[in-house]
Amino acid sequence: GDSVTQTEGQVALSEEDFLTIHCNYSASGYPALFWYVQYPGEGPQFLFRASRDKEKGSSRGFEATYDKGTTSFHLRKASVQESDSAVYYCALGDGANTGKLTFGHGTILRVHP
Amino acid sequence: DMKVTQMPRYLIKRMGENVLLECGQDMSHETMYWYRQDPGLGLQLIYISYDVDSNSEGDIPKGYRVSRKKREHFSLILDSAKTNQTSVYFCASSPGQQDTQYFGPGTRLLVL
Repeated sequence: GDSVTQTEGQVALSEEDFLTIHCNYSASGYPALFWYVQYPGEGPQFLFRASRDKEKGSSRGFEATYDKGTTSFHLRKASVQESDSAVYYCALGDGANTGKLTFGHGTILRVHP
Repeated sequence: DMKVTQMPRYLIKRMGENVLLECGQDMSHETMYWYRQDPGLGLQLIYISYDVDSNSEGDIPKGYRVSRKKREHFSLILDSAKTNQTSVYFCASSPGQQDTQYFGPGTRLLVL
């Protein structure tokens, strides 16, 4: 079945560091790919999506490029801030039109001032 | 501004009691979802609703049922709650089956 694997556990950075959270997927066809962010005590918030090969999604300084060749959708940000501390989820849309999303297990980002 | 609301935000129940979690959305979205989130397990899909009275089981439907009588409301019901249903429950909605899902703030349920 479809699956998403993302950077495990926690990523600890200092402010202004470069961020990369890896996301790889396993699915057939061209599923939509998503990034969500979840702050403590809140629901996941949609960050951005991409639906076709080489498409770049971006929002709030974060970006990721859909790469079908490497089946990846890595999240990057050039200069993180303490306020970016949160849990980040990569998700994979269902090409069978059931409306389901397959979420990764989440990556905790902690940014120290 | 698109909004998904959930009520109540916090709930404590005893084992065996019935639980009703409510979700609303003001965007006329067709598709709505119920998830639970547990440490180490991430988000698990309980039910999907494609429209009024058109519901489908997700990955972990056992012990839950849902009701959708109006497009803007989607309820999750736990008949005779169990302690292992202690969790954070999220509702989400989407304009269509291939579209982005928008999540509510969650309901934190404790079953004693």
